[in-house]
Amino acid sequence: DIQMTQSPSTLSAFVGDRVTITCRASQSVSSWLAWYQQKPGAAPKLLIYKASNLENGVPSRFSGSGSGTEFTLTISSLQPDDFATYYCQEQNSDSFSFGQGTKLEIK
Amino acid sequence: QVQLVQSGAEVKKPGASVKISCKTSGYAFTSFALHWVRQAPGQRPEWMGWINPGTGNTKYSQKFQATFTITGDTSAKTAYMELSSLRSEDTAVYFCARGSREFDYWGQGTLVTVSS
Repeated sequence: DIQMTQSPSTLSAFVGDRVTITCRASQSVSSWLAWYQQKPGAAPKLLIYKASNLENGVPSRFSGSGSGTEFTLTISSLQPDDFATYYCQEQNSDSFSFGQGTKLEIK
Repeated sequence: QVQLVQSGAEVKKPGASVKISCKTSGYAFTSFALHWVRQAPGQRPEWMGWINPGTGNTKYSQKFQATFTITGDTSAKTAYMELSSLRSEDTAVYFCARGSREFDYWGQGTLVTVSS
């Protein structure tokens, strides 16, 4: 299976900050990478698919980039609603592996 | 609007089986794959398998190949997952999710607790 590794595991930031989360794959997934946001007690919510495509209804402050084995999720100006856990997921193989998550906390 | 509504929480003893339903609405049931993903407390989501509701074809994670089954009922627009030989490590929230590669709609989750 493809292994997905995110960094950092925890990130503390202020409202208004620009933050970036990195996801690395153990082998190339081309552009088949998705990002999800999850809040406690809720299902994951799709934010970005195919590395850089914004899901309908997701605010434009979220953006994704990368290809191959290295990807980033950027939030341009953090809003109070953005404090949550973020997961990357590879979409290139039959394992659909998720990263271990990045918990974004209010500083 | 697209909705995936799952059945309620379950408490099972080790060695038992559990079957969870995922009732869909708001889209053509046979047009999108349905996946099952589980998430143990404090852990990352873990993909288990998927079904093509149009053909009934399934694909399972190797980890769950022996104990996991996904079925679909096109008339009821509902997918089911059954996990057998439950162990305490199977305690988790189980989600159904729609999509071919990315999972754009999710059920609300079903907590399965395995305890003697």
